[in-house]
Amino acid sequence: SQQGEEDPQALSIQEGENATMNCSYKTSINNLQWYRQNSGRGLVHLILIRSNEREKHSGRLRVTLDTSKKSSSLLITASRAADTASYFCARDTGGGNKLTFGTGTQLKVEL
Amino acid sequence: NAGVTQTPKFRVLKTGQSMTLLCAQDMNHEYMYWYRQDPGMGLRLIHYSVGEGTTAKGEVPDGYNVSRLKKQNFLLGLESAAPSQTSVYFCASTRAGTGNEQFFGPGTRLTVL
Repeated sequence: SQQGEEDPQALSIQEGENATMNCSYKTSINNLQWYRQNSGRGLVHLILIRSNEREKHSGRLRVTLDTSKKSSSLLITASRAADTASYFCARDTGGGNKLTFGTGTQLKVEL
Repeated sequence: NAGVTQTPKFRVLKTGQSMTLLCAQDMNHEYMYWYRQDPGMGLRLIHYSVGEGTTAKGEVPDGYNVSRLKKQNFLLGLESAAPSQTSVYFCASTRAGTGNEQFFGPGTRLTVL
């Protein structure tokens, strides 16, 4: 399997705190994407970072990419209860925009 | 726009039965995908299509067949269901080209007894 590793598998924080999730992979990539999945629902795209980019921001989200270490991180600042969900990184390794997903991080934000 | 829709939402099959899952998108996307999601496994690609009339195998294609007769529809078939195919199935679509986000359907929860 080409699935990478995400850590932590589960993360529980208080509202207002920052949440950091990490993703490591093994093969070269065209881009790396992060998706969110609320319980029982489909995935929703959050942010995409290309292989020649090192950092990207979108609202309260900050993504970094280190291609030399084959790793990425997703930072959610000032978390809210509504951020409670599973977060997945997905690598686009080329050809038909196919994505290879990690196993995900379950984030719980408590009031 | 409805985005990506999947039919049915839930289904229970007996071992050996067959069924077809339907995915429809109204965004005029060229590429479509079928994934399965199992506990602790993330999503794994079953089959995908880069255009009407073309399909290709993904990571876990065995036991499944697909067809893309119309651009907006992507069908996933199980010819002889097995308990190992109990899973949640997601369809997704995206525009042609590189670096485009995928849009996902709400999923179909399939149980094979």
